[in-house]
Amino acid sequence: ETGVTQTPRHLVMGMTNKKSLKCEQHLGHNAMYWYKQSAKKPLELMFVYSLEERVENNSVPSRFSPECPNSSHLFLHLHTLQPEDSALYLCASSQGQGASTDTQYFGPGTRLTVL
Amino acid sequence: AQSVTQLDSQVPVFEEAPVELRCNYSSSVSVYLFWYVQYPNQGLQLLLKYLSGSTLVKGINGFEAEFNKSQTSFHLRKPSVHISDTAEYFCAVSGVASKIIFGSGTRLSIRP
Repeated sequence: ETGVTQTPRHLVMGMTNKKSLKCEQHLGHNAMYWYKQSAKKPLELMFVYSLEERVENNSVPSRFSPECPNSSHLFLHLHTLQPEDSALYLCASSQGQGASTDTQYFGPGTRLTVL
Repeated sequence: AQSVTQLDSQVPVFEEAPVELRCNYSSSVSVYLFWYVQYPNQGLQLLLKYLSGSTLVKGINGFEAEFNKSQTSFHLRKPSVHISDTAEYFCAVSGVASKIIFGSGTRLSIRP
């Protein structure tokens, strides 16, 4: 595997379910990111981890819970989601420590549908 | 606060024609500017970025962009597009000690 991988690619869940999204980067990067991409809206930065510590939390509802066990893996734990949470969730990584000049490398995303 | 506006949600062009995708930003401090491309069913990929220096930035796949501070713009151009350029293009802005903000995207469709 190369680059940034995300699993699953598609996920359908009910509002009472608990599920997790997984992201893995094979680039030796230090920072990882979660984004939400909704139709016709700008990409929304949700969380940033630098060297496994959360450095950014953009007022995301508590039903989204990130976890970064090491610099290569990032999870997004989901529970009691709402239909408006349906979107493409993108993971990214960058070599630096989340600096604003960093180039970010994105995974293909997880298409989430909440019923 | 920073913001970025992509003026066109969709741009249709004929193959081999030139294209310009427009991006304007607002910021009270020095900015860093990016263009990312998202091909169907893929994540975003960096096309080019401006951090400092020459205002004309060349990127991958024949794209270039020009930083215009007086007009607060960072338009993306390509002199001759190919079918494979069909994608969504995102302009983004960040600054010293500030997070990156993405525009809402421009969908480029190429007609044969």
